[in-house]
Amino acid sequence: NAGVTQTPKFQVLKTGQSMTLQCAQDMNHEYMSWYRQDPGMGLRLIHYSVGAGITDQGEVPNGYNVSRSTTEDFPLRLLSAAPSQTSVYFCASSTLVGGYEQYFGPGTRLTVT
Amino acid sequence: AQKVTQAQTEISVVEKEDVTLDCVYETRDTTYYLFWYKQPPSGELVFLIRRNSFDEQNEISGRYSWNFQKSTSSFNFTITASQVVDSAVYFCALSAKQGYQKVTFGTGTKLQVIP
Repeated sequence: NAGVTQTPKFQVLKTGQSMTLQCAQDMNHEYMSWYRQDPGMGLRLIHYSVGAGITDQGEVPNGYNVSRSTTEDFPLRLLSAAPSQTSVYFCASSTLVGGYEQYFGPGTRLTVT
Repeated sequence: AQKVTQAQTEISVVEKEDVTLDCVYETRDTTYYLFWYKQPPSGELVFLIRRNSFDEQNEISGRYSWNFQKSTSSFNFTITASQVVDSAVYFCALSAKQGYQKVTFGTGTKLQVIP
């Protein structure tokens, strides 16, 4: 039981490049989400999903796309990377019952130059 | 709209001291959940506790205790006899019925326990 996994752990991009951050969970959780963590700002929700085929925007969705074709996977796509997207990205999952305590992946540290 | 305020940015205590981390929340919903998460220096986020809005009973787990007071919209976290391993950033979070899926985190309190 691996829990929530994220790849890569580190990534450096040039401005304008695109990439996909991968997230997978093996707990059969319906709910998955992406956060970014910036100094002094806590965790901010980017996008979330309550099941395969269903996604919605969080607090800071601009510049990011998501899709959910399976229960297990929830990739986050950066369309055209900008220095403002330099951050640590966390993926999380939870059940839809009982209050949504989330299990987090180890994070991806992204630097955009 | 919902909001979580952790006014203490950083706290330093000497080992074995007690410390309380404050969390104040705002929501218009009467049904909601509150959480605490720990982020040690290694960077992972670890769930500590969940409390729903209908349960104001305080909770104790070893050296950790949580005080939930709806009257003051607070959900404070106390560590008794702190240890170096408690050094971490602690986040308080809220999800309310109107948007259960949109969990709002506070900005975190960095706790440093000095040996």
